[in-house]
Amino acid sequence: EAQVTQNPRYLITVTGKKLTVTCSQNMNHEYMSWYRQDPGLGLRQIYYSMNVEVTDKGDVPEGYKVSRKEKRNFPLILESPSPNQTSLYFCASSFSYSNTEAFFGQGTRLTVV
Amino acid sequence: QQPVQSPQAVILREGEDAVINCSSSKALYSVHWYRQKHGEAPVFLMILLKGGEQKGHEKISASFNEKKQQSSLYLTASQLSYSGTYFCGTPGSGGSNYKLTFGKGTLLTVNP
Repeated sequence: EAQVTQNPRYLITVTGKKLTVTCSQNMNHEYMSWYRQDPGLGLRQIYYSMNVEVTDKGDVPEGYKVSRKEKRNFPLILESPSPNQTSLYFCASSFSYSNTEAFFGQGTRLTVV
Repeated sequence: QQPVQSPQAVILREGEDAVINCSSSKALYSVHWYRQKHGEAPVFLMILLKGGEQKGHEKISASFNEKKQQSSLYLTASQLSYSGTYFCGTPGSGGSNYKLTFGKGTLLTVNP
């Protein structure tokens, strides 16, 4: 089954404690990205990756890191989480960024206290 | 820049029609439409790739006007299952911009 898998689904952590949210896709997609969703603000892109070892900033990259060492995986790293990073996070993948369907993971609800 | 969606929210009775608009201050090369039900991930509806192109999925269709830099989503004879938040997405122009940027969403509620 074609899917994008995120882990964990829920996470509560404390300010400053490094964390990683994993994302994996099984569709051989080249384009992967991370979004955060906050009430009233829609989906805002954090980082994206065009292919292995090719990543770039989205619209809200501050406080986040990513890496793309393998085509299927695109982890999101919060080196020193802060309460303003409390949000719902989605990973998405597609063959291209512009003209093909994006598949979203089930989301990770992160709370930073 | 995020595309601008209107209205922010709409409430319908089953069987009524609705239009959701998406406009951009920058040139549009394609427009994506997604629906997100409460507590779930966004799900793809359709992509419009050329100016003037219209696509449809059951009773949901969309149009794309390149010159006006806008797209509209048409929901005809709405069903309860249409409830959710609708997002339009606009890709960057390429070159150094490969972002896919979404609007803030339109919350559609269909009541019996």
